[in-house]
Amino acid sequence: KQEVTQIPAALSVPEGENLVLNCSFTDSAIYNLQWFRQDPGKGLTSLLLIQSSQREQTSGRLNASLDKSSGRSTLYIAASQPGDSATYLCAVPLYNFNKFYFGSGTKLNVKP
Amino acid sequence: GAVVSQHPSWVICKSGTSVKIECRSLDFQATTMFWYRQFPKQSLMLMATSNEGSKATYEQGVEKDKFLINHASLTLSTLTVTSAHPEDSSFYICSARSNRGHATGELFFGEGSRLTVL
Repeated sequence: KQEVTQIPAALSVPEGENLVLNCSFTDSAIYNLQWFRQDPGKGLTSLLLIQSSQREQTSGRLNASLDKSSGRSTLYIAASQPGDSATYLCAVPLYNFNKFYFGSGTKLNVKP
Repeated sequence: GAVVSQHPSWVICKSGTSVKIECRSLDFQATTMFWYRQFPKQSLMLMATSNEGSKATYEQGVEKDKFLINHASLTLSTLTVTSAHPEDSSFYICSARSNRGHATGELFFGEGSRLTVL
């Protein structure tokens, strides 16, 4: 069974810092990996989707990398802002996409 | 990105009544939708997987007679909490899997529904 782990569980940084969030998965036979953010009391917003054939994806200040062989993905946030404060989750699908495995999330606090 | 709309965003009801939550994929067809429950400061808990035109697949421990799921069309799934009790109060979130183009397999979420049972 696929297990997804996110470290650290919480992170507090001053505004302007570059930071890295980690996601690891036990079964490297994944189709894709997706990063989300969740604001308190809200649903999840899709940030980046990396297909298994890709090594990274970029969107604005966000860059996600994928290393299937080592079972790891990282989300790099450049020049962090207070508006980036949220919980960030990663998820990988079951082979038939009938289930998605989520990490427990990293709660990020960016201090002004 | 694709849009998934969930309604209502919040609802308060009396104990014993039933509440229906709708989840719509607005700009893509979703053969598979998922329903989650989230307790405060906890991660998502998958309740059931809903496939269009067939019965939902419930996770272990989720009462299918209490949480009725219907996925009658490619753009709409509903979750009905029957005979709601205070312990059913929670944040319910739906998601839909996109089948279109390069976004195949990408998951999109609704805004969530906060249920409070008095």
